Amino acid sequence: GAVVSQHPSWVICKSGTSVKIECRSLDFQATTMFWYRQFPKQSLMLMATSNEGSKATYEQGVEKDKFLINHASLTLSTLTVTSAHPEDSSFYICSAPGQGLAYEQYFGPGTRLTVT
Amino acid sequence: AQKITQTQPGMFVQEKEAVTLDCTYDTSDPSYGLFWYKQPSSGEMIFLIYQGSYDQQNATEGRYSLNFQKARKSANLVISASQLGDSAMYFCAMREAVSLSSKIIFGSGTRLSIRP
Repeated sequence: GAVVSQHPSWVICKSGTSVKIECRSLDFQATTMFWYRQFPKQSLMLMATSNEGSKATYEQGVEKDKFLINHASLTLSTLTVTSAHPEDSSFYICSAPGQGLAYEQYFGPGTRLTVT
Repeated sequence: AQKITQTQPGMFVQEKEAVTLDCTYDTSDPSYGLFWYKQPSSGEMIFLIYQGSYDQQNATEGRYSLNFQKARKSANLVISASQLGDSAMYFCAMREAVSLSSKIIFGSGTRLSIRP
């Protein structure tokens, strides 16, 4: 089946620095990708919808200047957490819809971000 | 606005017993899709089953079945003959206006623990 990868799988950064997370669709093209954030023992909260060739659509309450999303190609979307703080520590998951069937939604393995 | 509610934060079930995980939803869109995902401690999202709003029959996938009560707006997951490996977080999710670019939102999840 289709595969979505994320890199890195985990990252530790210092407060105030920026970190970039990549989401790639490995064997299919994705004009749309979704970015979720999951705090421990909580659900996945949609942060934004990444659209290839256009601006991302952010959910209410998500700071677009802090969480920069770029969808530069049909197989790559990136999420950059700028000026990270400890409260940004979380599990970030991307997903992409499949090519046709309504139930197809492929998730990356997630990136665990720890800000010290 | 779309909304997913899971009212069971945690459940304990004896191995080999059947278990029902509750999910109710709210949407004004006549076209929508309902998903169930399993998330083990590794964090990966495992697709279990899908039900489209226009599907006439309840979805089944092996030991998983979805009890779709459209008038009551409920989409409960039934796991038959539970196994120790079923211990995980389970999320109900919904996509409105079924299209590849429409977002999927998640319920709060149910932590299922299977007792040997």
